[in-house]
Amino acid sequence: SQQGEEDPQALSIQEGENATMNCSYKTSINNLQWYRQNSGRGLVHLILIRSNEREKHSGRLRVTLDTSKKSSSLLITASRAADTASYFCATDAVGYSSASKIIFGSGTRLSIRP
Amino acid sequence: KAGVTQTPRYLIKTRGQQVTLSCSPISGHRSVSWYQQTPGQGLQFLFEYFSETQRNKGNFPGRFSGRQFSNSRSEMNVSTLELGDSALYLCASSLYGSTGNTIYFGEGSWLTVV
Repeated sequence: SQQGEEDPQALSIQEGENATMNCSYKTSINNLQWYRQNSGRGLVHLILIRSNEREKHSGRLRVTLDTSKKSSSLLITASRAADTASYFCATDAVGYSSASKIIFGSGTRLSIRP
Repeated sequence: KAGVTQTPRYLIKTRGQQVTLSCSPISGHRSVSWYQQTPGQGLQFLFEYFSETQRNKGNFPGRFSGRQFSNSRSEMNVSTLELGDSALYLCASSLYGSTGNTIYFGEGSWLTVV
């Protein structure tokens, strides 16, 4: 089963509103990353947060990490039409091997209405 | 600098055939990993190569194989294709390895098996 599970699976908001997506995972991690994927394209790296960090910002993006709850959230402020995409969290899990596999969640499909 | 380049972008194969996909990582990156993306299973890790050595492998049958060359370019091969192998195959590169580092994705190779 997937290490990371995003919630909600789909989200539709009005342009200008904030969008919040959540990711839960099962095992201890070294770090967690968020990626964006436009339909049928490759994944674009958004932000990496390490297990000893609690919050990170990048432009209109804010990521939080709560290792006690094994969850992370991605907040996109002042959404734009160009933010329409699928968003994935990816965890780098401790314990698989010295070269841990990156495991992706199932993704949140974000739609921004004009 | 140039991003991760995958070829071909689209291809159609017949069941039973084999296919080879190519990936050129970002210059200087020594780690290449491969993922399969399908609507039903999401993003699944195939394998990771670092300096020509396979460092990790996902839960895929032996029909899926890969290799990395001395210039860090990588190929993956799928033999005896099945309809279920239809997917977007994504290659990603990173400087030292996927663990704890940002990984950069190519645009993917769309494989359709008929």
